[in-house]
Amino acid sequence: NAGVTQTPKFRVLKTGQSMTLLCAQDMNHEYMYWYRQDPGMGLRLIHYSVGEGTTAKGEVPDGYNVSRLKKQNFLLGLESAAPSQTSVYFCASSNRADSTEAFFGQGTRLTVV
Amino acid sequence: AQKITQTQPGMFVQEKEAVTLDCTYDTSDQSYGLFWYKQPSSGEMIFLIYQGSYDEQNATEGRYSLNFQKARKSANLVISASQLGDSAMYFCAMREMPAVYNQGGKLIFGQGTELSVKP
Repeated sequence: NAGVTQTPKFRVLKTGQSMTLLCAQDMNHEYMYWYRQDPGMGLRLIHYSVGEGTTAKGEVPDGYNVSRLKKQNFLLGLESAAPSQTSVYFCASSNRADSTEAFFGQGTRLTVV
Repeated sequence: AQKITQTQPGMFVQEKEAVTLDCTYDTSDQSYGLFWYKQPSSGEMIFLIYQGSYDEQNATEGRYSLNFQKARKSANLVISASQLGDSAMYFCAMREMPAVYNQGGKLIFGQGTELSVKP
C-alpha cells in the first residue's frame, strides 16, 4: 500500500552541490510529475513524464533535469543547487486510462544554504 | 496555454456554513479534467473531487461539490456545512486529456486559497 514514495524527506545542501530526488510509484501509472511549492505560489510544475523514457518541461524547468528510465521511477536532479531552489518538492503520478485523480508523495523539504 | 487562477488568497467561514472557493481556468483543449485538492497544515495533498470537461452534471463527493460552468471556464468548489477540520489550503488544478498516447497530460495548479473555519 505504498502509493507514491519520495526520497529523501528532508535535505540541506550547500550552494553548488548536486543531488537527486527519487520518486517511486507502485501503481503502474504512466504519468508522473515534479512540482515545487513556495509560499504564495501554489504548486508549480517543473517537469513531467507521460511514459517510460519520455520527459517534458513544465512551468519552471530551469536548473532541474529529470529522467524516467523505468516506468515506476521519476528522478529529479539539481546539478548545481542555488538558494532559489529552496522549496518543498512534490511528486505525483496518475493513470492515463483512468485519470480522475493524481496521487501525491509526502513531499521533500530542501534547503540550499 | 493552460492557466488556472484562484483569486481568493484567504477566506473565512463560520462553522456549519457553506463556502465557495473560486477557480477559473483557461485552455484551448476541448478535453480536460478539473481537480480540487486540500492541503492541511501537515502538508500532504488530499484529493477531493474531479470534473471532466464532458461531464454534464456537476461532480459531488459528500460535502464537496464542484460548480462547473464550462462557458465561463469556472470550476468553483462548494463546501457545505463547514467543519473546523476544513481549515486548510485548497488548490484547483487542470489537466489536458490527450487523445493521442504520449501527448498532453500536463497537470497544473492554481495559487491556492487558504480557508479558515471559525467556531
